[in-house]
Formats: sequence, C-alpha cells, structure tokens
Amino acid sequence: EVRLLESGGGWVQPGGSLRLSCAASGFMFRDYAMGWVRQTPGKGLEWVSTIHNDPDAGTTHYADSVRGRFTITRDDSKNTLFLQMNGLRVDDTAIYFCAKYRGETYQNWYFDVWGRGTLVTVSS
Amino acid sequence: QSVLTQPPSVSGAPGQRVTISCTGSSSNIGADFAVHWYQHLPGTAPQLLIYDNNNRPSGVPDRFSGSKSDTSASLAITGLQADDEAEYYCLSYDSSLSGWVFGGGTKLTVL
Repeated sequence: EVRLLESGGGWVQPGGSLRLSCAASGFMFRDYAMGWVRQTPGKGLEWVSTIHNDPDAGTTHYADSVRGRFTITRDDSKNTLFLQMNGLRVDDTAIYFCAKYRGETYQNWYFDVWGRGTLVTVSS
Repeated sequence: QSVLTQPPSVSGAPGQRVTISCTGSSSNIGADFAVHWYQHLPGTAPQLLIYDNNNRPSGVPDRFSGSKSDTSASLAITGLQADDEAEYYCLSYDSSLSGWVFGGGTKLTVL
C-alpha cells in the first residue's frame, strides 16, 4: 500500500523555524517527484513546493509566497521528503500535506497520492 | 483570489447531475496544460478524481467525468449521492507563475 506520513508540525512564534518530514512507503520513492501543498484555515488548497526525482533531483520549484524562506529536499536513501520552513509568518498557519506526483512532462504532473497532513500554527 | 476560478458552492438533490467549472487563462488551462480534479473531506487526504482532463483513476466511479475547452474545464457528477458532499478542487500548471495552481474550491451540498 502506498503511504505518505507527515510529521514535524506544531506551534511556533512568528520568525521561527520548523522542519517537516514525510515518510514514504509502498512505492519506489526515488522514481517520483514529490511536493508540498497546504490548506489554510477556512481556505482552499495552495501548492507550496516541488522537487524533481533523479536525475533532476536538484530541481525545485516554490510558490512566490514561500520562495526564499522555505527549502524542499529529499533523502532517497531514507524514502523521506523534507520542508525546512524559516522566517515563518502568521499566514503560514496551515495543514501541510505531502504528495506524490505522477504524469509525463512536468507541467502536466499531478498529485496521485497524499498524506493526511500535519498542522503548523504560527502565532505569538 | 485564485488564478483558477471555481464557484464557491453548488448543490443538487440525490440522483441529480451537477457540474463544477474551473476557469483559467492563457497561461494555464488555455496554454493546453492538463487539468486535474480532487475531492477533499476535512481531516482527510485529498483524493484524485480526474487526471489529464478526463481520465479516471481506478476505483473512481464513472459517475465522475471531466472535460476541458479553451481556458476552462468542468467536473460533472451524475447520480448524486450523500457521500459526494465534499470540497472539490481543480489543479493545473501556470507558466506565468512557474508553478502549480489550485482553484479556490467548490463546496458540494447534497440536498
């Protein structure tokens, strides 16, 4: 069974940092691009970041709202995806989902499997 | 304001048909990037309903169908059931933003 399990969420003050992790199982992690999506309270889904798989695993993409503050990485030896979040703001408060991509050309990629999310609360 | 525009809510009686629109522009849907659709219930993982405009993953009932034309796409649900009540989102890629964009979401209420 394909599974994604997020962890690392919690409460942090504005300006603080958190590192989210996503443990993957049930599929060949290194063969797939991965991403993070968030859902803010009372609002919809927002794409956050994407990392390609090998041989382009150094290629990343970020939403304008997080570029320069968040960093996405992956450890294929541990089947784990990460999101380092620095300079957190109140409006970063959200449930953060880890998701696996499928598709042909990257502009047509889509998320076929999602985790259940981890809650990040940024508040003073 | 989402780049992809969806109606905030739609409703229908059990057994009826409803459609949810997703309107974009020349930098996303109109650029011939694929549209994908998700169903989301609070507290759960979003579920893929339609990929590549009109394809259903295995396990998704054929009551769900997708279409795309010019700068818009639509999700149709026939034979409405009570457990179809959820939030629905479209997803595509936007070349101006160099990233993926979701619609604002549509709350489906089964009357």
